[in-house]
Amino acid sequence: SQQGEEDPQALSIQEGENATMNCSYKTSINNLQWYRQNSGRGLVHLILIRSNEREKHSGRLRVTLDTSKKSSSLLITASRAADTASYFCAVGGSNYKLTFGKGTLLTVNP
Amino acid sequence: DSGVTQTPKHLITATGQRVTLRCSPRSGDLSVYWYQQSLDQGLQFLIQYYNGEERAKGNILERFSAQQFPDLHSELNLSSLELGDSALYFCASSDTGGEIQYFGAGTRLSVL
Repeated sequence: SQQGEEDPQALSIQEGENATMNCSYKTSINNLQWYRQNSGRGLVHLILIRSNEREKHSGRLRVTLDTSKKSSSLLITASRAADTASYFCAVGGSNYKLTFGKGTLLTVNP
Repeated sequence: DSGVTQTPKHLITATGQRVTLRCSPRSGDLSVYWYQQSLDQGLQFLIQYYNGEERAKGNILERFSAQQFPDLHSELNLSSLELGDSALYFCASSDTGGEIQYFGAGTRLSVL
């Protein structure tokens, strides 16, 4: 399975700190994406990194991809209470299908 | 607001019953995806339609079926419901490029 697996399952930090979440996958990919889900709501796309890219930035988000290790990381800098959510990595294959991991629950304490 | 509309928001029904979940994709999106999210299984891909045709199938039970209509809205039919079918069901849509999916707010199904 291409399923991404996030690590850690849960992360609790203070406002202003950085949060790092990791994702590992098993097979070759076209792209890897990160999504965010506020409690019980729909997922929101955050950032996409293609298999030939190593790093990408979007605002306070930084994503890295290491295809040799089949892993990615999402860094959220200067976290805010509003960043509290679950974060999912999704592996994109050649058939446009996305396979999601089980997510990291991030809690940012004010 | 993602532009993807799902109805109803909540659905409470009994075991053995049949329900229909509805999804309207973003304007112009041809692809619709259905996912099931439960605490133990996480977010599971069920099925994808593209312009009315089934394109990919995931972990969809035989009791479940879906279709996409000419106006591109989609319906997910769940029959012979079991307690274990209680979950959040999400619809997502994407454009022709298909890389990024836009999710609806979901339908929370409770089977009692």
